[in-house]
Amino acid sequence: DGGITQSPKYLFRKEGQNVTLSCEQNLNHDAMYWYRQDPGQGLRLIYYSQIVNDFQKGDIAEGYSVSREKKESFPLTVTSAQKNPTAFYLCASSIMDRGRNEQFFGPGTRLTVL
Amino acid sequence: DQQVKQNSPSLSVQEGRISILNCDYTNSMFDYFLWYKKYPAEGPTFLISISSIKDKNEDGRFTVFLNKSAKHLSLHIVPSQPGDSAVYFCAASDTAGGGADGLTFGKGTHLIIQP
Repeated sequence: DGGITQSPKYLFRKEGQNVTLSCEQNLNHDAMYWYRQDPGQGLRLIYYSQIVNDFQKGDIAEGYSVSREKKESFPLTVTSAQKNPTAFYLCASSIMDRGRNEQFFGPGTRLTVL
Repeated sequence: DQQVKQNSPSLSVQEGRISILNCDYTNSMFDYFLWYKKYPAEGPTFLISISSIKDKNEDGRFTVFLNKSAKHLSLHIVPSQPGDSAVYFCAASDTAGGGADGLTFGKGTHLIIQP
């Protein structure tokens, strides 16, 4: 059963702590992405990776870090430098295909900073 | 500066009628457009897409129309069903770099299907 999994579903963090959100896919997709959604807003791109051991900053990368050591995994670390970390975080993946870009999303992780 | 705009935050449609959701974009480099459906606290679900070389794409009850000269696209749902009630996001992409860059999303339209 192919898909994208994100864990945990809900995460609470004290201010000043780093936290890592997990994203795993078994779709054999080359590209993976992290987005953030705030209430009443669309999704905004944080980071993306087209190949293992390589990644690029998106529109709102400040205060976040990622790694891509395996094709299946793309964890996101929300650091204490992120000023407004409370949000809904979504991971996605896609094939590499010029002329197309359907991205498939995981169920999301809601992060709340206390 | 919003490159993808959905100017209607919400839309109410009677069950069985047509739902039309609209989206405008400003970046002329966008060449691939997608619609996603999203329920609260869940990830978006891909619905339908269209390449800029086409002006229409149809999949069952869902049809997307693209007007490149107006930089406008629309999603038609016919007939509308109660399960269609959700937030719909329009997204756009520049695929010239290999098709794996991030998507640019609109803010969404909350579609409410009334019985």
